[in-house]
Amino acid sequence: SQQGEEDPQALSIQEGENATMNCSYKTSINNLQWYRQNSGRGLVHLILIRSNEREKHSGRLRVTLDTSKKSSSLLITASRAADTASYFCATDITGGSYIPTFGRGTSLIVHP
Amino acid sequence: EPEVTQTPSHQVTQMGQEVILRCVPISNHLYFYWYRQILGQKVEFLVSFYNNEISEKSEIFDDQFSVERPDGSNFTLKIRSTKLEDSAMYFCASRRTGEKLFFGSGTQLSVL
Repeated sequence: SQQGEEDPQALSIQEGENATMNCSYKTSINNLQWYRQNSGRGLVHLILIRSNEREKHSGRLRVTLDTSKKSSSLLITASRAADTASYFCATDITGGSYIPTFGRGTSLIVHP
Repeated sequence: EPEVTQTPSHQVTQMGQEVILRCVPISNHLYFYWYRQILGQKVEFLVSFYNNEISEKSEIFDDQFSVERPDGSNFTLKIRSTKLEDSAMYFCASRRTGEKLFFGSGTQLSVL
């Protein structure tokens, strides 16, 4: 299984603050992806970072990848109430079929 | 951006009945997946499909489940004899090799 494990399980912040969530995985990867899920909806892809990349930005999102520690972090800057959702990571392992599996995610609540 | 479409959005059925959930993946994608999410729980992998056959399946995907790609566009999940515990949101997803997953908005299945 290529399951990523997200941490913390829950995060509650005020609008305007930054939110950081982490993902750990177990095997060598080709890439790592972050997804977001609004309650009862499908997962939406946020950002993909390849194993030879260390940092990637997309708007207010910043993702880092540390392959030596087998971990990644997702930073949402200047959070908004609309960022309230669950966030998941998934990995594409080296030499394996891509069967992304999702952990329990980080539930982010941004208070207006 | 292209979309994965799923029908129906809601399905109510009696225990023991058969249901077919339908998905239209993105046209140039090669890999197709079904996931499910029981209310309040994590998104669980069911099955992946590539080159017109199942490439991998989870232990959840037992004999009551089957998948087909009956034509060049549709991808279906059949549950032969539904149980109460099959009540969940079912998500279809597709992707190109090594790229991000595109999820549909899901079918909410309620088994009474």
